[in-house]
Amino acid sequence: NAGVTQTPKFRVLKTGQSMTLLCAQDMNHEYMYWYRQDPGMGLRLIHYSVGEGTTAKGEVPDGYNVSRLKKQNFLLGLESAAPSQTSVYFCASSGPNRGQDGYTFGSGTRLTVV
Amino acid sequence: QKEVEQDPGPLSVPEGAIVSLNCTYSNSAFQYFMWYRQYSRKGPELLMYTYSSGNKEDGRFTAQVDKSSKYISLFIRDSQPSDSATYLCATLIKAAGNKLTFGGGTRVLVKP
Repeated sequence: NAGVTQTPKFRVLKTGQSMTLLCAQDMNHEYMYWYRQDPGMGLRLIHYSVGEGTTAKGEVPDGYNVSRLKKQNFLLGLESAAPSQTSVYFCASSGPNRGQDGYTFGSGTRLTVV
Repeated sequence: QKEVEQDPGPLSVPEGAIVSLNCTYSNSAFQYFMWYRQYSRKGPELLMYTYSSGNKEDGRFTAQVDKSSKYISLFIRDSQPSDSATYLCATLIKAAGNKLTFGGGTRVLVKP
């Protein structure tokens, strides 16, 4: 089925370790986003991309880096994981019709940093 | 203060009741308004989308926007246990990379 695929689904990291979360979409969407979701905080935008080769900071970008080398993929990197980065991470993509088509979200990556 | 505020709940109702959900927002530049539904351990999915003030119906769901009060609502008629989920309101500014700003979500429990 068409959609957004996130890998991995679960991960436990030790403080200071690094990892990359992969997001892949097959809908030919221009826009892609990384959000984190924490209890009581809702979804907060980390970084986003409006096209291949472009990235921009969102609301909570510190401690994360991203890359969009191919239109269908959006990678989120944690260079030195901290316990404050324990969260559920969602990737999403959207087409050009603003809110009308909505975002398509992946099923999330549950990350625990110990 | 968050740009989009939403009561976290939980909101518990009996099956068949009307569920009423609300959000307030502070930025008058927001132009598009959406409601997303999120089941446990799943990603959010789009339920309703509105652009202008007024009501929009889709089956058992009605979305309402009052731009003068910066207030958005979602009503679920004839609620079912399958409606038990977290409902997130979201807003968007047209010229800002389609970035959505979400409320914190309201957890809804529909009891059989």
